[in-house]
Amino acid sequence: AQRVTQPEKLLSVFKGAPVELKCNYSYSGSPELFWYVQYSRQRLQLLLRHISRESIKGFTADLNKGETSFHLKKPFAQEEDSAMYYCALSASYNTDKLIFGTGTRLQVFP
Amino acid sequence: SQTIHQWPATLVQPVGSPLSLECTVEGTSNPNLYWYRQAAGRGLQLLFYSVGIGQISSEVPQNLSASRPQDRQFILSSKKLLLSDSGFYLCAWSGGWETQYFGPGTRLLVL
Repeated sequence: AQRVTQPEKLLSVFKGAPVELKCNYSYSGSPELFWYVQYSRQRLQLLLRHISRESIKGFTADLNKGETSFHLKKPFAQEEDSAMYYCALSASYNTDKLIFGTGTRLQVFP
Repeated sequence: SQTIHQWPATLVQPVGSPLSLECTVEGTSNPNLYWYRQAAGRGLQLLFYSVGIGQISSEVPQNLSASRPQDRQFILSSKKLLLSDSGFYLCAWSGGWETQYFGPGTRLLVL
């Protein structure tokens, strides 16, 4: 069965510290993975997807098929990064259903 | 450009009452449509998805149902609400194997 696990409910860091939000997945096929973010009072929105291999707002995520992980990283956290982050797995080519993890709230203190 | 609307934004309903939440998409045709429930500590749970008019797939057994009477309209309903139906409901659309775009959500409180 497909599953996405985000082990941390809350991650608190100080501004300028490195950040790593963990995501592990379970999927028998070739995964399509995403990170979505929800800032306070804003809509849930895509942050990045692994096939794009891009850096958005300083965040990167590398798909590690051996460890079945897709951790989100940023070398220097900013206060505006405080938000709820969801890792998601696309389960089907036909319908692009997403399976979400339970989310990690990132708090960046000044 | 494409936009997605949901209403109402907030709803307080008594147990046993009916429910109808509406989601509409503008600026695109034949979108895939989704209903999610977002609960604290439980992330986003996919409830229903639709790839076309009248085509609804249910992901989890529950007290809710969905309908797609028009190409860009997706409705979440219940005949009798339960306390456990309280939550934040999100509608989303996608163009097919692409990013999903989320609406602003509806906060439902069942008392």
